[in-house]
Amino acid sequence: QKEVEQDPGPLSVPEGAIVSLNCTYSNSAFQYFMWYRQYSRKGPELLMYTYSSGNKEDGRFTAQVDKSSKYISLFIRDSQPSDSATYLCAMSNSGGYQKVTFGIGTKLQVIP
Amino acid sequence: ETGVTQTPRHLVMGMTNKKSLKCEQHLGHNAMYWYKQSAKKPLELMFVYNFKEQTENNSVPSRFSPECPNSSHLFLHLHTLQPEDSALYLCASSHRPEGSYEQYFGPGTRLTVT
Repeated sequence: QKEVEQDPGPLSVPEGAIVSLNCTYSNSAFQYFMWYRQYSRKGPELLMYTYSSGNKEDGRFTAQVDKSSKYISLFIRDSQPSDSATYLCAMSNSGGYQKVTFGIGTKLQVIP
Repeated sequence: ETGVTQTPRHLVMGMTNKKSLKCEQHLGHNAMYWYKQSAKKPLELMFVYNFKEQTENNSVPSRFSPECPNSSHLFLHLHTLQPEDSALYLCASSHRPEGSYEQYFGPGTRLTVT
């Protein structure tokens, strides 16, 4: 079983839709949960990170962590064509240097 | 220049060539990372440097040789590569290794080994 599972998609949605992107994980020691966005031919860009459980909101983006279910989500409200990219989830333990484990990424296309 | 820069952006090399990838970060960070990104695979951590000292080598073949002369610069020296080494090589930095959850990536070098 992979430590982090993420559906590679592609996921196509109409402009204005609410997008839900998800990852599951198996390592209960993970404490930091990150979402990166990667445009074609670019490096990943950190959208937000969350420590432990709970929600975090930044503009149209909301990250949720459910540690009891080992499930994390990223919601994008009022999706725009400019949101079309690959979204990578990532996780790490806490305390000192901790290697970050990435998901494979979900490719999202927002259709005008 | 801002953020993390990488040169060259594209590289084609034969299996017997020697080349180097360069990364520079303008963020005042102390930790730097090399990752490999292959199609349909998650990002693979290759090396970690903290204050110029290598702190992690993730079982990378010796044909990849990193160098970190200072906290702002990171190189990846390549020699006698294999076709399966073709991938996007990404450099990243963070304020310190304990902050690895907040990494900033460069645009990557697209490497093709022929």
